Amino acid sequence: DIQMTQSPSTLSASVGDRVTITCRASQSISNWLAWYHQKPGSAPKVLIYQASSLESGVPSRFSGSGSGTEFTLTISSLHPDDFASYYCQQYHTYPVTFGQGTKLEIK
Amino acid sequence: EVQLVESGGGLVQPGGSMRLSCVASEFTFSDHYMDWVRQAPGKGLEWVGRTRNKARGYSTEYAASVKGRFTISRDDSKNSLFLQMNSLKTEDTAVYYCARVPRDSRYVDYWGQGTLVTVSS
Repeated sequence: DIQMTQSPSTLSASVGDRVTITCRASQSISNWLAWYHQKPGSAPKVLIYQASSLESGVPSRFSGSGSGTEFTLTISSLHPDDFASYYCQQYHTYPVTFGQGTKLEIK
Repeated sequence: EVQLVESGGGLVQPGGSMRLSCVASEFTFSDHYMDWVRQAPGKGLEWVGRTRNKARGYSTEYAASVKGRFTISRDDSKNSLFLQMNSLKTEDTAVYYCARVPRDSRYVDYWGQGTLVTVSS
């Protein structure tokens, strides 16, 4: 199975900050990567697919980059609504696998 | 607006069985692959498995942790997705999400609200 490793596991930041979350794959997945965020008690929502494509309706402060084994999700200026957990997911090879998650907390 | 509504969760004893259902609306269900994804309390997301569409023979894929115990099926005439879970273990306790895969890719673009399955004696 392809292992997905996110860093950091927890990130403390303030409204207006620029933050970056990293996701590394144990083998090349080309650009078959998606990013999701999830608030407590709610279902996840997709932000980015194909490593860098913004899902329809997602604010432009979210962006993704990378290919092969290293990927990043960047939020250019944090809004209060962005404090949540973030997950990467590879869909290059079955079984589909998720990263362990990054919790973005208010500093 | 795409809707996915899960049902069938609850309390079950270890070794028991349970069947989850998901009813889809506001899109052409038969065109899409569909996933089940679960989340244990306080933990991250775990992909459970996928069913492809009729064009792909309704073939399925599973995570190793559930292969041989769980079965995904669908009824396109009723816009419904199912997860039959047998030989349940305490570690299967989780919120189970039904999820849609877009026609032109393989990530998840819509999620249901989830249904909680608790495996405990």
